[in-house]
Amino acid sequence: SSDLTQPPSLSVSPGQTASITCSADALPKQYTSWYQQKPGRAPVMVIYKDTERPSGIPERFSGSSSGTTATLTISGVQAEDEADYYCQSADISGTYVLFGGGTKLTVL
Amino acid sequence: QVQLQESGPGLVKPSETLSLDCSVSGYSVSGAYYWAWIRQPPGKGLEWLGSMYHRGTTFYNPSLKSRVTMSVDTSKNSFSLRLSSLTAADTAVYYCARQARSSWTWYEIDSWGQGTLVTVSS
Repeated sequence: SSDLTQPPSLSVSPGQTASITCSADALPKQYTSWYQQKPGRAPVMVIYKDTERPSGIPERFSGSSSGTTATLTISGVQAEDEADYYCQSADISGTYVLFGGGTKLTVL
Repeated sequence: QVQLQESGPGLVKPSETLSLDCSVSGYSVSGAYYWAWIRQPPGKGLEWLGSMYHRGTTFYNPSLKSRVTMSVDTSKNSFSLRLSSLTAADTAVYYCARQARSSWTWYEIDSWGQGTLVTVSS
C-alpha cells in the first residue's frame, strides 16, 4: 500500500483534460512532485514544488495543491501523454520519501 | 546536465547481498543534493529505498532499514547501495537518482538513471 493515494487508472479522449489526484494528510505541509513513466523507461519529472514545471515539459502539464489533495492536470491530452503517472512527497515529519501507487493514463 | 548510470549484477541468489553502484557525471556528488535509490518490482509502483548526503547523513525506508546500507565515494563521483538477505520479493528495476532536500523535508527527484533489473533467483 502507498501513503499517497492515487486513482489506479484514468481514460480520456485526445484533446480533453486529464486530472490526476494525489491525497495524503501530510500534503498541507509538504510539496508534491509528479513523474511520468513510459513503458521500459525511467520516470521523468513533469511538476515539482506543487506547481513548477521543469524546462522542456510542455505547458499543457500543470499542477496544483489544496488541503490534503494535489492534482496534476494535462490540458489538451495528446496520444504521447499515455503513461503511468506517480506523485511523490514526504511524510509529515519530513523524514521519509513517499510515492503514490501510480495512475495509468489511457488516451482513447 | 547531470547523468546517472547504475551498474551491478543482474542475477543474485536468495539470502545473498546485492551491491549496486551509481556513476554520476555532469555534477559533483559533493554538491548540495542527496543521492537516492528507488526500485520498481515488475508491473508495480515505485518504492523509495533511501537517500544519502555526501557528508554521511542517511535516510532509509523504515520497512527496509535493517537490510539497507548506502555510501558515497567522492573520489569516484559515485554512490552505492547494499541490500542484504535478499528474497524473490526484492526482484525489481533499481534506479539511482538525485534528490533535493531542505533542512527539514524532501523535495523533487530531478534526475534518474536508466535503471537496472535485478532478479533474485537460485
